[in-house]
Amino acid sequence: EAGVAQSPRYKIIEKRQSVAFWCNPISGHATLYWYQQILGQGPKLLIQFQNNGVVDDSQLPKDRFSAERLKGVDSTLKIQPAKLEDSAVYLCASTLGTGHGYTFGSGTRLTVV
Amino acid sequence: AQSVTQLGSHVSVSEGALVLLRCNYSSSVPPYLFWYVQYPNQGLQLLLKYTSAATLVKGINGFEAEFKKSETSFHLTKPSAHMSDAAEYFCAVSEGGNTPLVFGKGTRLSVIA
Repeated sequence: EAGVAQSPRYKIIEKRQSVAFWCNPISGHATLYWYQQILGQGPKLLIQFQNNGVVDDSQLPKDRFSAERLKGVDSTLKIQPAKLEDSAVYLCASTLGTGHGYTFGSGTRLTVV
Repeated sequence: AQSVTQLGSHVSVSEGALVLLRCNYSSSVPPYLFWYVQYPNQGLQLLLKYTSAATLVKGINGFEAEFKKSETSFHLTKPSAHMSDAAEYFCAVSEGGNTPLVFGKGTRLSVIA
């Protein structure tokens, strides 16, 4: 089966600019996650979707981050305006259910300068 | 809330030697436990998972892990390290249901020829 697709792979922007990331999960996976992985750390959950509804966004910095999952399939994560501390890899994952484990995309590496 | 502690941010072993990566978890309910591997500039790949079946879990690439409830541990082992095992390894825990994975900070494994 096809994996989780993410784009772009790399993005460099200046602080205060905006950026958007795209994720296409595995077909049939109802649950989708966005994680932030800062260099040298483990992934940290930003937001969890079940179909097109938000299940958990408690750790999403809502003053600058937003995410949506239209029609319960593709998802976009946006940062506006970006800060230097947003430099990280943004990972998208999808799953049939927690017991199955998650399938991760290759991630988008964001550098804010 | 669940949490994971990975002892040792960096482990170095000789090729052919035993690999032991340590993971301790905290969970208020019987947990689901996972080990993921991350190669440079790639996403996370599932190595193995424990979901309340056999306590000794075998995964891909010759890795295995044993769930020990009394020690709240889920250490990852491989009898003989290979150069291709050099990567970052993450332990993760979930309390099941729709609860998202919580990751440890990771252990970087180096394999010396």
